Amino acid sequence: GQQLNQSPQSMFIQEGEDVSMNCTSSSIFNTWLWYKQDPGEGPVLLIALYKAGELTSNGRLTAQFGITRKDSFLNISASIPSDVGIYFCAGETSGSRLTFGEGTQLTVNP
Amino acid sequence: GAVVSQHPSWVICKSGTSVKIECRSLDFQATTMFWYRQFPKQSLMLMATSNEGSKATYEQGVEKDKFLINHASLTLSTLTVTSAHPEDSSFYICSAMVGGWYNEQFFGPGTRLTVL
Repeated sequence: GQQLNQSPQSMFIQEGEDVSMNCTSSSIFNTWLWYKQDPGEGPVLLIALYKAGELTSNGRLTAQFGITRKDSFLNISASIPSDVGIYFCAGETSGSRLTFGEGTQLTVNP
Repeated sequence: GAVVSQHPSWVICKSGTSVKIECRSLDFQATTMFWYRQFPKQSLMLMATSNEGSKATYEQGVEKDKFLINHASLTLSTLTVTSAHPEDSSFYICSAMVGGWYNEQFFGPGTRLTVL
């Protein structure tokens, strides 16, 4: 089946630093999504990407959909303690079915 | 808006019993609901797609007779784990899709199932 390879698996950074994480796939996706999940909660959508090459920002978050539709990155600028959590990329295929990456655990030290 | 709830938030049951988990869209009608399973420190895995009034579509490797899905209305879908065993212990998360051009999925808070 389809797989999304997400890296890094975990990151430990200082407050104020910028963060970058990415996902790659052997398959093409129609839509690429980035989610954040807090412990014991469901994921919350951060950014949705619909077009190849699209670059979209949401506050301190910026994400880009790769030209080949097989990869994406998420950047977080000037990290703050509440950015702590697990970040997932997800690719959408037919029927709005989502395939999730393995997740990036982000820890921000104050 | 676009709030999805799940009930219960956690449940502990004995091996061999059945457990029902509810997923509700509180302030919108959901054309489609999805059920995911997440093991500790792992990703979300799609189990099935549920459309109101029709049979659910299960992902490869998911036993439809073990994970019964009923989508009786546009605001409620239920997942019943039948004859639960310890290996079914997991975090079960539903999502509801608003529909329209963006087809965004809104996720519930999840249900932690522990089978003893």
